[in-house]
Amino acid sequence: DAGVIQSPRHEVTEMGQEVTLRCKPISGHNSLFWYRQTMMRGLELLIYFNNNVPIDDSGMPEDRFSAKMPNASFSTLKIQPSEPRDSAVYFCASSPPSTSGIKRDTGELFFGEGSRLTVL
Amino acid sequence: QKEVEQDPGPLSVPEGAIVSLNCTYSNSAFQYFMWYRQYSRKGPELLMYTYSSGNKEDGRFTAQVDKSSKYISLFIRDSQPSDSATYLCAMSLNSGYSTLTFGKGTMLLVSP
Repeated sequence: DAGVIQSPRHEVTEMGQEVTLRCKPISGHNSLFWYRQTMMRGLELLIYFNNNVPIDDSGMPEDRFSAKMPNASFSTLKIQPSEPRDSAVYFCASSPPSTSGIKRDTGELFFGEGSRLTVL
Repeated sequence: QKEVEQDPGPLSVPEGAIVSLNCTYSNSAFQYFMWYRQYSRKGPELLMYTYSSGNKEDGRFTAQVDKSSKYISLFIRDSQPSDSATYLCAMSLNSGYSTLTFGKGTMLLVSP
């Protein structure tokens, strides 16, 4: 089965340019997460969707960042305008719905391979 | 104080050594505790998870949770070069839409 698919894998851009990162979650998963990873701050949750609806976007750093999930199989994270401090690896992850009626959060997030962004 | 503290390492050990990786946390409401393994240039993948306090064993890996001390550990027995990776602890609250809080990760290097 295909895992979480992210594109592009690598992006080098200049400050001020718009960046769009894309994610296709695992089919059947109903939760999608965008994380950012840096050496200094580790993995930080940016935004979390459940059934295509944004549930928690408190981690989005500022208005330059926006995320959408128009359908169950696609999400984008956009940075406009980009800045050098946005350089990081951006991960998308998805998780399946709870099947037992008990809370979902047992920890199984399925991560993509990440999009490495460098802003010059 | 950060919610989850984890020594970044790197931790270098010879093949066959017993490895101990640890995290401390400040939020006593955390109920689920996980360890993710992340190979270089890859996304994290779930290695083990435990609910509340106690031990869980899976092959060469043992996860321990001590909620009274707010301390979790991952032990790797008979470490192999293929265990070389970054290990991230993660934890979540007991609520419907809670999300994971990750440690920064400890880099482990196992030399042959």
